[in-house]
Amino acid sequence: EGHLVESGGGLVQPGGSLRLSCAASGFTFSSYKMNWVRQAPGKGLEWVSHITSSSSTIYYADSVKGRFTISRDNAQNSLYLQMNSLTAEDTAVYYCATNYAYWGQGTLVTVSS
Amino acid sequence: DIVMTQTPLSSPVTLGQPASISCRSSQSLVHSDGNTYLNWLQQRPGQPPRLLIYKISSRFSGVPDRFSGSGAGTDFTLKISRVEPEDVGVYYCTQSTQFPHTFGGGTKVEIK
Repeated sequence: EGHLVESGGGLVQPGGSLRLSCAASGFTFSSYKMNWVRQAPGKGLEWVSHITSSSSTIYYADSVKGRFTISRDNAQNSLYLQMNSLTAEDTAVYYCATNYAYWGQGTLVTVSS
Repeated sequence: DIVMTQTPLSSPVTLGQPASISCRSSQSLVHSDGNTYLNWLQQRPGQPPRLLIYKISSRFSGVPDRFSGSGAGTDFTLKISRVEPEDVGVYYCTQSTQFPHTFGGGTKVEIK
């Protein structure tokens, strides 16, 4: 069964940057498309970004386009999300997920001065 | 963007009784490959989401058969045949037919 573990969250000031990581195990990571999904405190789910198995195709939500960069390292079974120019509206738990079959536990990103 | 609208917002249910959640999309979810990528997720309190149903009606591994999905085109339904205590949480429909993927606002299932 697939297992995903996010890391890299924390408190950051507005305008700052963070890099999230997602370590995968228990499945053939290199064969799976991957997503980042976030959930603001007390709110619903918001899709953030998608990357195909070979990194050939990438999509972003309009709310993060130009500020966030998704990437992956299939040799390391890892997914990343580089987040720049963060604002309070980016405060959320960030989940990595396959095609929604496997989800991590999430990592909390708080943007505040 | 495809808008996903769920009803009701909240569903108080008696244990052992059925529950039903509706999800409507603003446009057809039929993909060019012929599949309809409509999924249902369950999020228990304090937990990450969990996939229950994919492609309208296929139950994911380990999901009890009291959960079932149905629908077509733009109208979809999740049914719980007999609600159990562990079913308490928020349920989301989501479409992965088209980017951006979008989620419904969620339906809270609670015990009366």
